Amino acid sequence: QKEVEQNSGPLSVPEGAIASLNCTYSDRGSQSFFWYRQYSGKSPELIMFIYSNGDKEDGRFTAQLNKASQYVSLLIRDSQPSDSATYLCAVNGVDNFNKFYFGSGTKLNVKP
Amino acid sequence: DVKVTQSSRYLVKRTGEKVFLECVQDMDHENMFWYRQDPGLGLRLIYFSYDVKMKEKGDIPEGYSVSREKKERFSLILESASTNQTSMYLCASSPAGSGNTIYFGEGSWLTVV
Repeated sequence: QKEVEQNSGPLSVPEGAIASLNCTYSDRGSQSFFWYRQYSGKSPELIMFIYSNGDKEDGRFTAQLNKASQYVSLLIRDSQPSDSATYLCAVNGVDNFNKFYFGSGTKLNVKP
Repeated sequence: DVKVTQSSRYLVKRTGEKVFLECVQDMDHENMFWYRQDPGLGLRLIYFSYDVKMKEKGDIPEGYSVSREKKERFSLILESASTNQTSMYLCASSPAGSGNTIYFGEGSWLTVV
């Protein structure tokens, strides 16, 4: 069983603040990492993916990957109430690149 | 845009009924997946398929079967529905190979009474 761990939250931040979401994974050989956003009652939608160590920025979102520490994070700058959702971390399987393993998600609340 | 369509959004079935959940993707993806999502348990993989007529068990295949007769269509079958199969079911697809994104359908909410 591959493990992808996330703090379930809820994480509460005020509007305009930076929200920091964290994820650890157990399989050291994992290659690809994804962040999905899921609004209540809806299906997950892709926000970002990252393959290499370091930071990757896309608008207000920054994904950070540290393979040595087996840690991936998502930073949301200038958080908005519309960012309130559950954020899922996903990792590609090592034994089978076609399989994905998901964390249970962190619920983010952005207060106006 | 990738489109993954789950034809049944909300279903209520009785214990012991046979249930079919259908999923169609329009992007010629090799891989298709069925997950279920329950509060506090996250997304759990039931089955996935990497080619027509090919399937592989996920983490929780008991009580489920799947069918993939055509590349674009992947069906989840509950042979004899039970109340503990009440859940949201998510179909997804992805291209083959490392690093490719997985795309989800809108989900099917199944209640077994």
